[in-house]
Amino acid sequence: AQSVTQLGSHVSVSEGALVLLRCNYSSSVPPYLFWYVQYPNQGLQLLLKYTSAATLVKGINGFEAEFKKSETSFHLTKPSAHMSDAAEYFCAVRHGSSNTGKLIFGQGTTLQVKP
Amino acid sequence: EPEVTQTPSHQVTQMGQEVILRCVPISNHLYFYWYRQILGQKVEFLVSFYNNEISEKSEIFDDQFSVERPDGSNFTLKIRSTKLEDSAMYFCASSEFGLAGDEQFFGPGTRLTVL
Repeated sequence: AQSVTQLGSHVSVSEGALVLLRCNYSSSVPPYLFWYVQYPNQGLQLLLKYTSAATLVKGINGFEAEFKKSETSFHLTKPSAHMSDAAEYFCAVRHGSSNTGKLIFGQGTTLQVKP
Repeated sequence: EPEVTQTPSHQVTQMGQEVILRCVPISNHLYFYWYRQILGQKVEFLVSFYNNEISEKSEIFDDQFSVERPDGSNFTLKIRSTKLEDSAMYFCASSEFGLAGDEQFFGPGTRLTVL
């Protein structure tokens, strides 16, 4: 069975500091991995996805994530946090051969950015 | 930019009542999904829908739940007899195709409160 674990329900960084949000997955088959962001009172918006091409994936708003099979990780990073990055971030996995599209989400990490 | 819309944004109902949550997916999308998030918990998959039938459903999606695409634009989730534990944020999503790497576009959610 597939699962996702996000380490740290709350992460606080200063503006301009490195953002690192952790995600580990469990999957018996090659996974497809996603990071979504949710701003207050909005739906989930895709930041980036890994679909078995390049292991370093670049997304919107300066975020990127690296797929590391040996560590079963897909951590999200951004070199310099901006106040507008404050939101909730969700890591999700989908079965690589799935044709139904079910996403399995982690618990979410709330990112706080301090001035 | 096309987006998924959901109505109402907040629904309050009495236990045992029927509720219908409405979604308008992106117009050229073929695959539709419902997820829910109980406060403080993970976003959970409920059901996927394609070609006017359910593709996959989770254990949560029991006989009290049903989905329908009554016309060419709406996608609804009905809960026949609501329980207190149905209180959650319900998200609708759609994708153009059902492939594993396809992005699912999420609506802003409907917050359901069962009293």
